[in-house]
Amino acid sequence: AQKITQTQPGMFVQEKEAVTLDCTYDTSDPSYGLFWYKQPSSGEMIFLIYQGSYDQQNATEGRYSLNFQKARKSANLVISASQLGDSAMYFCAMRENLRSGGSYIPTFGRGTSLIVHP
Amino acid sequence: DAGITQSPRYKITETGRQVTLMCHQTWSHSYMFWYRQDLGHGLRLIYYSAAADITDKGEVPDGYVVSRSKTENFPLTLESATRSQTSVYFCASLTPGGGELFFGEGSRLTVL
Repeated sequence: AQKITQTQPGMFVQEKEAVTLDCTYDTSDPSYGLFWYKQPSSGEMIFLIYQGSYDQQNATEGRYSLNFQKARKSANLVISASQLGDSAMYFCAMRENLRSGGSYIPTFGRGTSLIVHP
Repeated sequence: DAGITQSPRYKITETGRQVTLMCHQTWSHSYMFWYRQDLGHGLRLIYYSAAADITDKGEVPDGYVVSRSKTENFPLTLESATRSQTSVYFCASLTPGGGELFFGEGSRLTVL
């Protein structure tokens, strides 16, 4: 079974609008971490944001926020005020906790392609 | 400069040849990973290493060999390259607290 599911192969958003990229995960480990990465057309993987499973508040980094709903096992990325430079592939990933028997190996979803229209 | 460097960035080779992709980190992160990225598959784990001299298979290890004699280096070898190994390969390391995965720039390999 897939540990990370990104159900949106492609998304379109108008410049300056907000967009939500979906990510659901599957784990029985109580301690885990969730990541989002951006991959522009140039190919590099850019770290955006991290959420630990015990973090009380949703993580935020500038225009990026992670809408963490633990009971639903979802970790959606919200990009506010989209810019043309946000057009890229976005990957969600999860790392479980080695100490509690998790693999500690980040597992990635298949990605969502975001296109920002002017 | 601190970070992860991969070499070569681009490589074209022929079926049956041996190819080694190099990965070097300037930190001393224990965990290092090799992923391959193919359209429609996201990033799939090939091999990982928890420390020097400790390596283990990931999701798609067939046809690949790794070694880790030093903490900072994690080379990936394709012993006899096949066309299905045409891909973009990423090396990565994980911070000790597990809160960030640092990636190299990627190595684009084409097997003819």
